[in-house]
Amino acid sequence: DQQVKQNSPSLSVQEGRISILNCDYTNSMFDYFLWYKKYPAEGPTFLISISSIKDKNEDGRFTVFLNKSAKHLSLHIVPSQPGDSAVYFCAAKGGNKLVFGAGTILRVKS
Amino acid sequence: GAVVSQHPSWVICKSGTSVKIECRSLDFQATTMFWYRQFPKQSLMLMATSNEGSKATYEQGVEKDKFLINHASLTLSTLTVTSAHPEDSSFYICSVSDFPSSYNSPLHFGNGTRLTVT
Repeated sequence: DQQVKQNSPSLSVQEGRISILNCDYTNSMFDYFLWYKKYPAEGPTFLISISSIKDKNEDGRFTVFLNKSAKHLSLHIVPSQPGDSAVYFCAAKGGNKLVFGAGTILRVKS
Repeated sequence: GAVVSQHPSWVICKSGTSVKIECRSLDFQATTMFWYRQFPKQSLMLMATSNEGSKATYEQGVEKDKFLINHASLTLSTLTVTSAHPEDSSFYICSVSDFPSSYNSPLHFGNGTRLTVT
């Protein structure tokens, strides 16, 4: 039973344009959401997070939006850069555990 | 942010042998450490939660006798894959937390260990 779903396995975007990565969750007990970036053979690197009491959090080029009623969150990267090419994992926290989605491969073309 | 050191970064072992992976929290006391496993092109799956000074809590389907976890200090947790088989070949990653003192803080991850069992 996948509690956190990233339905797009990959996304290709032109440099300078916006990248939008989506994530859906099923467990209404999740109250904290995070996005991680991961390169092959490395551990995930924290990008940005959002608490369930907010609907938007912005940090530089990265913005996370949370729609609690739809149990949906998204990560916007603008402008996209070639160095953003990586696997992006959405994660949701309930209690002390972090549950990850399957990841989306982002390719930013120059 | 926290710095997590994981060692070794890769290891090749023969089937039937045991392998120990270390996870160290370098700049804060980690009351809780987590061990994840990632298969190729798949998500990170939580294997177990390692609590300092007590027994680890394993996720459903994870064999506690096969994946031995020791969290003897606030800075070190170890995962030992016992009697390794080729199907144990995977990418193992640890992460640290100072929960519950900082509930809404991100987990910080080590760089992972690539285990190949021949």
